[in-house]
Amino acid sequence: DGGITQSPKYLFRKEGQNVTLSCEQNLNHDAMYWYRQDPGQGLRLIYYSQIVNDFQKGDIAEGYSVSREKKESFPLTVTSAQKNPTAFYLCASGGQERKPQHFGDGTRLSIL
Amino acid sequence: AQSVTQLGSHVSVSEGALVLLRCNYSSSVPPYLFWYVQYPNKGLQLLLKYTSAATLVKGINGFEAEFKKSETSFHLTKPSAHMSDAAEYFCAVSPQGRGAQKLVFGQGTRLTINP
Repeated sequence: DGGITQSPKYLFRKEGQNVTLSCEQNLNHDAMYWYRQDPGQGLRLIYYSQIVNDFQKGDIAEGYSVSREKKESFPLTVTSAQKNPTAFYLCASGGQERKPQHFGDGTRLSIL
Repeated sequence: AQSVTQLGSHVSVSEGALVLLRCNYSSSVPPYLFWYVQYPNKGLQLLLKYTSAATLVKGINGFEAEFKKSETSFHLTKPSAHMSDAAEYFCAVSPQGRGAQKLVFGQGTRLTINP
């Protein structure tokens, strides 16, 4: 079945540590996105990529980094510069030519 | 800049009653509008979308929404609530275009169904 796979489902970060969240899609979509979800705040866009080897900052990019070396993969690194990383992180793909974005099942990041 | 306001962070209805979840948007350009549903610890699932075709849009699970430009609204309705409709619902807007969709989401409405 086509879809988006996010891993791990749960992740714990120590102080000063960088962690990387994985997102893989087999929908053949050019565009991919990372969102952060906090209770009562909806989803906010962190980064997005319209094509391989290209990505742009979203509304809350500070403290995060991404890469897009393959069409299928768009990993997100939460760096130690992100002082409040505890949140639910959602990856999505698609959303071009009037089509909706498809979402993965998320990664919940917590601080140890 | 675009924005979305969902009126009511929590809505509670009885099983079999009408469901009405409100969404108002602001956009300087013609928008695309979406409703998504989220179950606990899951990603978002598309309910329906408006992309400048018919103003009354029918979605999955018996939901529908009407685009009203004069009121800048895109309210979600379902005639008869079912227990399985309990979830969080998000309205989202993006500008029309061919590039990547930079979705702007409302803060969400948690729907509770009373037996």
